Amino acid sequence: AQKVTQAQTEISVVEKEDVTLDCVYETRDTTYYLFWYKQPPSGELVFLIRRNSFDEQNEISGRYSWNFQKSTSSFNFTITASQVVDSAVYFCALSEAQGGSEKLVFGKGTKLTVNP
Amino acid sequence: NAGVTQTPKFQVLKTGQSMTLQCAQDMNHEYMSWYRQDPGMGLRLIHYSVGAGITDQGEVPNGYNVSRSTTEDFPLRLLSAAPSQTSVYFCASSLGGDSASNSPLHFGNGTRLTVT
Repeated sequence: AQKVTQAQTEISVVEKEDVTLDCVYETRDTTYYLFWYKQPPSGELVFLIRRNSFDEQNEISGRYSWNFQKSTSSFNFTITASQVVDSAVYFCALSEAQGGSEKLVFGKGTKLTVNP
Repeated sequence: NAGVTQTPKFQVLKTGQSMTLQCAQDMNHEYMSWYRQDPGMGLRLIHYSVGAGITDQGEVPNGYNVSRSTTEDFPLRLLSAAPSQTSVYFCASSLGGDSASNSPLHFGNGTRLTVT
C-alpha cells in the first residue's frame, strides 16, 4: 500500500535561514510519481513539482530545490534563504496511477513558519 | 482562465440534511477527483473519475455520492450530512491518461463545510 510520511509537523525558522522539509514514501510499484504542494494561509493548494520514479536528478527552481533518493525512499524539499512569504503548509504526495497525477496519496503536511 | 471552480465557498448544514458541492473545470481534463482535508490528516481521496460516465471510490467514500455526466462537471453529493463530514473539500482535475504529459493536479479553492 502507498504511504507518505512527513515526520515534521511544524517547523519555525527565522528569515534567511535554509530549511529542509522531509518526505518519506512507501510503494511497491516501480513506476510512481512524487509531488510537493504548498498551501498558504489563504487555503488554496499550489503545485510546486512533480517527479517520476525514473528521474532521480535533483531539481532547483530559484530558492527551491528537491532531493529525490530512491535508495532511502525520500523526496526532500529545501528552501534556501527563506522568506516570510514561504510560510505555509507543505504537502508531499505520491501517485502510482498510470496518468501520474491521479489518486494522489498525501502526507499529513508540514507547517512552516518563517519569522521576520 | 477559470481553471477549477468550486461552489459554494462556505456551507453550514444541519445533521441529516443533504446537499451538493459543485465542481467545474474548463481545461478539458479527463480526470477529476474530490478530496477532504481535516486538521492533522492531510488530504484524503473521496471519489474520482477518469472520464465522463466513469466514477470510482477513493479512500473515504462513505456518505458521499458522485456522478460525471459531462467532462466539465463533477458534483459531490452528501446524502445525509453528519458532523464527521465537517471538513474542507477540494475538487481537482488533470489531463490524466498517458503519463507522457506532464500534467499536475489542479485544485479548486475549496469548500468549507460545517455540519452541526
